[in-house]
Amino acid sequence: DTGVSQDPRHKITKRGQNVTFRCDPISEHNRLYWYRQTLGQGPEFLTYFQNEAQLEKSRLLSDRFSAERPKGSFSTLEIQRTEQGDSAMYLCASSLPTGLPTGELFFGEGSRLTVL
Amino acid sequence: DQQVKQNSPSLSVQEGRISILNCDYTNSMFDYFLWYKKYPAEGPTFLISISSIKDKNEDGRFTVFLNKSAKHLSLHIVPSQPGDSAVYFCAASEGNTDKLIFGTGTRLQVFP
Repeated sequence: DTGVSQDPRHKITKRGQNVTFRCDPISEHNRLYWYRQTLGQGPEFLTYFQNEAQLEKSRLLSDRFSAERPKGSFSTLEIQRTEQGDSAMYLCASSLPTGLPTGELFFGEGSRLTVL
Repeated sequence: DQQVKQNSPSLSVQEGRISILNCDYTNSMFDYFLWYKKYPAEGPTFLISISSIKDKNEDGRFTVFLNKSAKHLSLHIVPSQPGDSAVYFCAASEGNTDKLIFGTGTRLQVFP
């Protein structure tokens, strides 16, 4: 399988705990994106990397959220001190340098977070 | 501030008929528009896109129409098939950014 891989697929945690999600993009894609999707909404942009550089962050990404892509390959999204409002599907996507603006993002299946 | 709007949360169409999904946007700086399809428990998959310099783009059974003056685009699927049943998201981007702004989605059900 050479698609975008996300782990874990589902995480249940208690409020106040830290959680970390991992994304492995398609190997030749140097752009990596994180989106969040809540019930009844479309995906919302969180942040974007080109290689290891984090080039843009949404205002949605509070100080409790941090994303890294240390070697320009896989990426992690950490949420500290989780709140119930963080419950959502966290989607990772990757693309080639020419992926946008034509829009060909390749999405993973997502990591669903449930904060109790 | 919802910059991309899909006002119909659901649509039901008979197999073989045309499905028309609509999308409105408010930001005149958007210059690329896209449709993504999402099946349950899967990530969205790219379907078709259109540049703002065009008013129509066709790919097989899927055609996207763009009306810039009305800030409106639509996706036509003809003929509709049961396998088209999914949630369809409209999205838009500005040329100088690398993020997509998505609508809230329309759930299409194609029945036999």
